[in-house]
Amino acid sequence: GDSVTQMEGPVTLSEEAFLTINCTYTATGYPSLFWYVQYPGEGLQLLLKATKADDKGSNKGFEATYRKETTSFHLEKGSVQVSDSAVYFCALSLNTGNQFYFGTGTSLTVIP
Amino acid sequence: DVKVTQSSRYLVKRTGEKVFLECVQDMDHENMFWYRQDPGLGLRLIYFSYDVKMKEKGDIPEGYSVSREKKERFSLILESASTNQTSMYLCASSPHTSGAAGEQFFGPGTRLTVL
Repeated sequence: GDSVTQMEGPVTLSEEAFLTINCTYTATGYPSLFWYVQYPGEGLQLLLKATKADDKGSNKGFEATYRKETTSFHLEKGSVQVSDSAVYFCALSLNTGNQFYFGTGTSLTVIP
Repeated sequence: DVKVTQSSRYLVKRTGEKVFLECVQDMDHENMFWYRQDPGLGLRLIYFSYDVKMKEKGDIPEGYSVSREKKERFSLILESASTNQTSMYLCASSPHTSGAAGEQFFGPGTRLTVL
C-alpha cells in the first residue's frame, strides 16, 4: 500500500550544522510530497511541497527534491538554528482521494 | 489566512464518558480529517469527510464516530472513552482538488487525557 518511511529520531545538532532527514515513499500512482513541521505545543504546518518528479520545494532555508528514481524526498538545511527545533513529518498524497499518508515524524533539537 | 480551530486545547475525561471534540474551519474547504498523534506512531487517520453528511473510515476508526452536519464543522465523538484513547487529536481541512493534491491545514490539537 501507499506509505512513507522517514528516519528515526531524535536528532540533535549544534547550531549551524548541516541537516538531512531522510524520507522514502511507496505509492501506486504519482504522489505529491510534503514536509510538515510541528513546533512544541502546536499543530502541523506546511514547510514545503513538490508535486512532480524533479521538483524542488524550498522554504525558510529548507529544501527537498522529489526523486522518482529513488522514491525519496529528503529534507535538507545548510545551517540549522535553535528555532528549527521541532518535529518534522514527511507526507504523501495521491492525486485521487485527497488522503494523506504521514511518516512517524523526526524530532530535531538544535543546541546553541 | 486559513484557520482551523479546535474547541479545547486540553481535556480530561473519565472512563466511560461520552466525549465530543469539535473542529471548525473558515475557508470553505470540502475535506476535513481527524487524526490522533502518539509518540513513535506519528499521525494516524481516524475518519475523514469529503462533504456534508459524508464520512469515510480511516485507519483506526474503532471506538470513534464523526458528524458533519455543516460544511465548516467536523466533530469527533468518543462514545465511551477509554484510557487507550488518551492522545493528541488533530483536525485538518483541505480544499478538494483534481490533479495535484492540496495542502492540509491543521488545527492546534486537543490533548485528551482519559482517567
